[in-house]
Amino acid sequence: QKEVEQNSGPLSVPEGAIASLNCTYSDRVSQSFFWYRQYSGKSPELIMSIYSNGDKEDGRFTAQLNKASQYVSLLIRDSQPSDSATYLCAVRTGVDRGSTLGRLYFGRGTQLTVWP
Amino acid sequence: DVKVTQSSRYLVKRTGEKVFLECVQDMDHENMFWYRQDPGLGLRLIYFSYDVKMKEKGDIPEGYSVSREKKERFSLILESASTNQTSMYLCASRTVGDTDTQYFGPGTRLTVL
Repeated sequence: QKEVEQNSGPLSVPEGAIASLNCTYSDRVSQSFFWYRQYSGKSPELIMSIYSNGDKEDGRFTAQLNKASQYVSLLIRDSQPSDSATYLCAVRTGVDRGSTLGRLYFGRGTQLTVWP
Repeated sequence: DVKVTQSSRYLVKRTGEKVFLECVQDMDHENMFWYRQDPGLGLRLIYFSYDVKMKEKGDIPEGYSVSREKKERFSLILESASTNQTSMYLCASRTVGDTDTQYFGPGTRLTVL
């Protein structure tokens, strides 16, 4: 069973601070890594994807990947109250060939609250 | 914009009823997925389909079946609904060769009484 673990939270940070969300995964052959944001009562939406070791930045969001340590993180700089949501880490392992479709494995999510 | 729609936002059924949840996507995606989401348990994959008439079991297929007769439509069937199937059900679709983006529908909150 492939496992994806996230820091359990909930995480609470003041407005303007850096929020750090962490995720570890068990399958060493994992290839693609994603962060989804889910607002209360809504469905998940993709905010970041990362495929190679290192950092990937998109606005206030930075995803970091370390395949040797099987670790992926999401940093949110200058956190805003509108960032308050549950963040889901997801990992894709396989390749797209019929029934070996690379399905996603999700962590249970970390609830983030940014207070003004 | 990619659009994934689900037939109902809220559904209330009685124990033993047969329940159909419908999902339609308008982007010609090959892959479609059904998840359920419960507090503390996260997203769990029920079934997925990599093409028309193809289906694969996910992690929790017991008590469910699926149908994919047309590329755009993926149906989840609860043959005999039970109270432990009360949950939020989320459909998603993805195209092969895309940047791995799964697009989610708005979800159906099913209550089984």
